[in-house]
Amino acid sequence: NAGVTQTPKFRVLKTGQSMTLLCAQDMNHEYMYWYRQDPGMGLRLIHYSVGEGTTAKGEVPDGYNVSRLKKQNFLLGLESAAPSQTSVYFCASSYGQIGGYTFGSGTRLTVV
Amino acid sequence: GENVEQHPSTLSVQEGDSAVIKCTYSDSASNYFPWYKQELGKGPQLIIDIRSNVGEKKDQRIAVTLNKTAKHFSLHITETQPEDSAVYFCAASRLNRDDKIIFGKGTRLHILP
Repeated sequence: NAGVTQTPKFRVLKTGQSMTLLCAQDMNHEYMYWYRQDPGMGLRLIHYSVGEGTTAKGEVPDGYNVSRLKKQNFLLGLESAAPSQTSVYFCASSYGQIGGYTFGSGTRLTVV
Repeated sequence: GENVEQHPSTLSVQEGDSAVIKCTYSDSASNYFPWYKQELGKGPQLIIDIRSNVGEKKDQRIAVTLNKTAKHFSLHITETQPEDSAVYFCAASRLNRDDKIIFGKGTRLHILP
């Protein structure tokens, strides 16, 4: 049982490039989330989804887009990367109204 | 919306001693309070949670207490061990709605030999 899997684990982008981060979960969770983690800032919610085909904005959505075409997958896209998007990105999933989140192991993204 | 404050940001404790991390929340309707542990290079992992109908919950060396009136909750780790060194996050949410979990900014716990 893999839980939440994030790919890639590391990536270096040049300013203006685009990329997609993939999150996959095998726990049949309805809810999925994308967070970014920066030093001293804790975990900040970028976007989230309460079910297949749905997405919603979190605390820091600007510069990111998401899609949830399949229940088990949640994609985070950066259309034109900026140095301010250098961060560690975490995906998480949950049953929603039942309890805690299961996190992936993170993607370390550097934008130069 | 909900706001969660966590203190201290850094905590150093001698091995074998106890560690306490405190959090306050602003939304009196919050009813679910999880704690997460993040080890270096890994994602946060749920270690214990408490719901608002309970004042205290214990799991081996870790315990969480909740004071709904004062809107604060705390994580207690007893007999600390080197493997307790990590970043700990508290969080709060309204579990009976589709509300998201709001996290504190984290506490880096160092266990000193």
